[in-house]
This record gives sequence, structure tokens and C-alpha cells, in this order.
Amino acid sequence: VQLVESGGGLVQPGRSLRLSCTTSGFTFADYPMSWVRQAPGKGLEWVAFITSKPYGGTTEYAASVRGRFTISRDDSKSIAYLQMSSLKADDTAVYYCVRDHGSTLPTWFDPWGQGTLVTVSS
Amino acid sequence: SYVVTQPPSVSVAPGETAKITCGGNNIGSKSVHWYQQKPGQAPVVVIYYDTDRPAGIPERFSGSNSGNTATLTVSRVEAGDEADYYCRVWERSVDDMVFGGGTKLTVL
Repeated sequence: VQLVESGGGLVQPGRSLRLSCTTSGFTFADYPMSWVRQAPGKGLEWVAFITSKPYGGTTEYAASVRGRFTISRDDSKSIAYLQMSSLKADDTAVYYCVRDHGSTLPTWFDPWGQGTLVTVSS
Repeated sequence: SYVVTQPPSVSVAPGETAKITCGGNNIGSKSVHWYQQKPGQAPVVVIYYDTDRPAGIPERFSGSNSGNTATLTVSRVEAGDEADYYCRVWERSVDDMVFGGGTKLTVL
């Protein structure tokens, strides 16, 4: 099982960025997926969740990103995405893609990708 | 939202037992998952649903959850167990599903 994030980098406040999570080694369509972030030197924060298609592909978001971030998935490519808009300095973090073991709500995460760093700064 | 509290640090000698706590109001009625993060690495789940251990995690790692405290116990601590440990509480509302602030386990 492998998860590889990409798309991170330096972005100005107020701009947008899309992260991708390319997966392999498991049946992607069968699993919900989440994104978790970690600000430099800080703890973990769950960000977004998407169910598998049998559960409607519904989404959940942390209050801190609700209305600004959008999680999506392409089961044909085994890729999960995180579209981030109206970025703020507080969004600066390493963003991890994780395979979720929930169904309609996020539960526990295994495995984790290696992470991609997003830096929001002018 | 729900609040959980972890001690910032725990120190033990090699071969001893480390207990890392995760405190919260009636946390025993909720499910708790534990993650280990070594420096420069992504986190790894070591305990899920209070007591379950994923394949590949040593039996030295165990979990319990009762009352207002969930506990991750690491028996016969080794130098390689030195890491940050995070608890995460499962609730029926995502706004109450929180990570603890993390506990740094130091092996003396």
C-alpha cells in the first residue's frame, strides 16, 4: 500500500492550490480517504474526509477549512485531491493523505503518505 | 468542541513501562486511536478502537480506555520507541473528533 502526495509549494495568501494523493497497492474505490495536516513544530489536525462511492462520496470538513477546502476523488485513477482556496498563513503545514477506515465518518488512519509541504506567504 | 489533554512529555528508562494518557470528559464512552510519529517521519497508527493493534505493531503496545482517561502503555520500552504519541478521539460529530496535543516519549 502506498500513498504519494504532490502539489505542495509556496503560495501567496488568498490564492489557491490543489494537492493530489496518488495511491497504489489496494482497491482505492473501497476506502474512504482523509487529509490530515501538521503545522511546523505543531500537532496533528484532521482536515477533510470523503466516503467511498457506495456511501455517496459524501464529504466532511474541519471547521477551520469548511467553505474554503474541497476534497474529491477519482476512483478510475486511484487519486484523492484536496482543493484549497482563500489560503491563509495559518494553513501552512505538511499535508498528509491517509487511508481512512471509517464508512460515513472518519475514524482511524492507516497508512499515511509521506506528506507535502504547503507554505502560505507573501 | 471536545477537549482532550495529553502530558507534554513522559520519560522512562529502557526496559521500563511507559504510560501515556489522554484525558477527556467521559472519554471512556468514546473510541480512541493512538499514533506514533518519529522525527522526520509520517505518523503510524499503533492502537485503534481503544485496544486493537494493527499488524506489525509489537505486542508491547497496548491500550485501555475508561472513565475520563485513555491510556497507551508501552512495555519493555526500547530506544526505538522514542517518538511523539498522539491520541485521537472518535465521536459522532467531526467537530468533536480531535487529536490530543501529543506526548513526547523520551527513553533515558
